[in-house]
Amino acid sequence: SQQGEEDPQALSIQEGENATMNCSYKTSINNLQWYRQNSGRGLVHLILIRSNEREKHSGRLRVTLDTSKKSSSLLITASRAADTASYFCATAAFNQAGTALIFGKGTTLSVSS
Amino acid sequence: SQTIHQWPATLVQPVGSPLSLECTVEGTSNPNLYWYRQAAGRGLQLLFYSVGIGQISSEVPQNLSASRPQDRQFILSSKKLLLSDSGFYLCAWSVLRASEAFFGQGTRLTVV
Repeated sequence: SQQGEEDPQALSIQEGENATMNCSYKTSINNLQWYRQNSGRGLVHLILIRSNEREKHSGRLRVTLDTSKKSSSLLITASRAADTASYFCATAAFNQAGTALIFGKGTTLSVSS
Repeated sequence: SQTIHQWPATLVQPVGSPLSLECTVEGTSNPNLYWYRQAAGRGLQLLFYSVGIGQISSEVPQNLSASRPQDRQFILSSKKLLLSDSGFYLCAWSVLRASEAFFGQGTRLTVV
């Protein structure tokens, strides 16, 4: 079952611009994570934000979390061509069997030089 | 350091043939293990997860099955593949169920 939904589905920007991706989810969460996937490869973890945190930074990445709106955003500042990839949010949600990471459909980011 | 190995990288199988994808983790003990499937241009669908040897939870009923014969080995199987089983299969592990997940490089399965 899909828990998170990223928006937009696709985003094209120029190098140096900022890229903002949003994620909405449905149920209460333990934490929310963002991952990056280069074409045809496995996913790489970028950042984790806990349900009691509102903002987190890592290098050029800034993640916000609004649990009242059940939404999160990922901001990549000063984007580079190498940032071209798909970005997924994943929520650690409680279900009947315990807790598992459920991923959204992703945002495909294209950064042109 | 921990590493995850997943093979093969690509696989073309005829409809009705069996499937066995293997994933092993090194450098950690008692990992949580996951199998995800990603259809073209779509998100990841959680198929199976395991918190220990012989403990498998299925998220989506289908003709696939998973087994964990050893602590750091996770196998995805099918007795008879369907066309709809085509996709990109990803194995992952984590220390805790809700913690950061580490992914293998994936297996591109095409059923013809």
